[in-house]
Amino acid sequence: DAKTTQPTSMDCAEGRAANLPCNHSTISGNEYVYWYRQIHSQGPQYIIHGLKNNETNEMASLIITEDRKSSTLILPHATLRDTAVYYCIVRVANDNYGQNFVFGPGTRLSVLP
Amino acid sequence: DVKVTQSSRYLVKRTGEKVFLECVQDMDHENMFWYRQDPGLGLRLIYFSYDVKMKEKGDIPEGYSVSREKKERFSLILESASTNQTSMYLCASTSYSGGYQPQHFGDGTRLSIL
Repeated sequence: DAKTTQPTSMDCAEGRAANLPCNHSTISGNEYVYWYRQIHSQGPQYIIHGLKNNETNEMASLIITEDRKSSTLILPHATLRDTAVYYCIVRVANDNYGQNFVFGPGTRLSVLP
Repeated sequence: DVKVTQSSRYLVKRTGEKVFLECVQDMDHENMFWYRQDPGLGLRLIYFSYDVKMKEKGDIPEGYSVSREKKERFSLILESASTNQTSMYLCASTSYSGGYQPQHFGDGTRLSIL
């Protein structure tokens, strides 16, 4: 069973905020939410992760609902270079060897000029 | 910034050859991983290592082996390459810090077996 559900694709106008949703209704209390993206022919790039509080870094903001059943990745001012497949992943925090990163199909974000 | 470097971006080999894929990370991470990525199948874990000379099988280890002689370097070996091993291979690393640190990936090696 998939742990996360994301829209298959989204479009966003250049310069506008891109809001990418992720549903993780079966998330447990010790699971983190991670976001990655993959630009064509490159490896996945880590963006941000969080447990229950909202997080922000130089790339994006992560908004996690109070019940933790869904989250939204926000790219505040999308550029053409943000065109990529975005992956939302949940993983248990005590996975000490880090082997349980499971990438689903993700959301293909197209930033349009 | 974490840097994970894979030795080749593109590689073409022949069936039956022994193939070595090299990966180096510069952040003193304990854990390193090898994945393959195929259309429609996502990332699948081949092997991982949590320390020098230690290795653990992932979900699809058949036909592969690994070597970790130094902390910064993790090698994937295709003992006798076959056409069904044509794929994008991704190396990743992460620190051992409570188990919640993200993995950081290299840019991948696109391997074609003819």
